[in-house]
Amino acid sequence: EADIYQTPRYLVIGTGKKITLECSQTMGHDKMYWYQQDPGMELHLIHYSYGVNSTEKGDLSSESTVSRIRTEHFPLTLESARPSHTSQYLCASRPTSGSFNGELFFGEGSRLTVL
Amino acid sequence: AQKVTQAQTEISVVEKEDVTLDCVYETRDTTYYLFWYKQPPSGELVFLIRRNSFDEQNEISGRYSWNFQKSTSSFNFTITASQVVDSAVYFCALSEAWRDDKIIFGKGTRLHILP
Repeated sequence: EADIYQTPRYLVIGTGKKITLECSQTMGHDKMYWYQQDPGMELHLIHYSYGVNSTEKGDLSSESTVSRIRTEHFPLTLESARPSHTSQYLCASRPTSGSFNGELFFGEGSRLTVL
Repeated sequence: AQKVTQAQTEISVVEKEDVTLDCVYETRDTTYYLFWYKQPPSGELVFLIRRNSFDEQNEISGRYSWNFQKSTSSFNFTITASQVVDSAVYFCALSEAWRDDKIIFGKGTRLHILP
């Protein structure tokens, strides 16, 4: 069982509000990721981090921002939520193990609805 | 560029039937890793298998089996004697060795096992 946690699981919020989705992992993984999953199921990488103080944008442009001040914590923030931000957000982490790619461990996701 | 194609958007089979989920990938790298993940209704993606590009041996785990063929760039997943609990969305994914910071997912196949 993966030790990666996301809060809140569900959030309904009005347009213009600032929101932060929390993601924490207790596995000591350096690499962390945020994926956005649209209703059609497709997963889009929006942010990732190699470790503390490292953040990179993913393949899908996103108005959200992330920070990585501590290894275990990788929050995602939307300064002003809009209906187009309505989606499922999945956080994941993976170990850094030499040259071999470890699998991703996923949280249960945060389903955001912006009215 | 790397790409993963899951041509089957949705499949329905009757319980106890065998079902194969197709996955075709594209990569320019000679060293890469392939994955399958399961996403049950709860939302969390669960890792099923990782295969590296040097290992073309097929793998069997209980009712699950995977057929990796580099000649056709395919990594297909078969469930034998399907059960209702197998109902989920299944994702195939690819990670290139030189870009081990990213895993690219296919669009997923939604599998319905009918009782």
